[in-house]
Amino acid sequence: GDSVTQTEGLVTLTKGLPVMLNCTYQTTYSPFLFWYVQHLNEAPKLLLKSSTDNKRTEHQGFYATLHKSSSSFHLQKSSVQLSDSALYFCALSGNYNVLYFGSGTKLTVEP
Amino acid sequence: NSKVIQTPRYLVKGQGQKAKMRCIPEKGHPVVFWYQQNKNNEFKFLINFQNQEVLQQIDMTEKRFSAECPSNSPCSLEIQSSEAGDSALYLCASSRDWGEEQYFGPGTRLTVL
Repeated sequence: GDSVTQTEGLVTLTKGLPVMLNCTYQTTYSPFLFWYVQHLNEAPKLLLKSSTDNKRTEHQGFYATLHKSSSSFHLQKSSVQLSDSALYFCALSGNYNVLYFGSGTKLTVEP
Repeated sequence: NSKVIQTPRYLVKGQGQKAKMRCIPEKGHPVVFWYQQNKNNEFKFLINFQNQEVLQQIDMTEKRFSAECPSNSPCSLEIQSSEAGDSALYLCASSRDWGEEQYFGPGTRLTVL
């Protein structure tokens, strides 16, 4: 069945450093991947989306490239800010467009 | 920014009580989803609608949970007899069409004592 794997549960970084959050997926459908960010007590907000192989998508300094050959959609940012501290979820759109979420990565950015 | 409205934000019920929460999807979004996010931040799909029609729902929803999206009224999710394991954040999401991204509301945090 459809599934998403995020390997890092917790990531702690100093402001200004780069970050990469891993996301791999399994699906029998044509993949449509998303990254959502959830700040404390807020709604998950769409950060990035892609269904195009090998095309980089960017938003608010974050970027990701869908690689169908490796079933990956890793999230990256070249320089994290304090305001980036949040939960990050990778999600896959499956049958009936139901989202299958990864387990999430809690990113903490320190001064 | 998402314009999905969910009420109430917080709901406290005793075991066996009914718990009802509502969702107003973003204007022009006929596709509505309900998800449960537990204390470990794991998401579980519950049910989805296109206009007023149920498209897919999980077994849990079929037994104790009921949901509807009537025309010109908020969508709702109701737990007929709450259990401690139902304590979670219930998220409503809407999208413009199949294959479009989903926009989430802030959720209703249910605590079952």
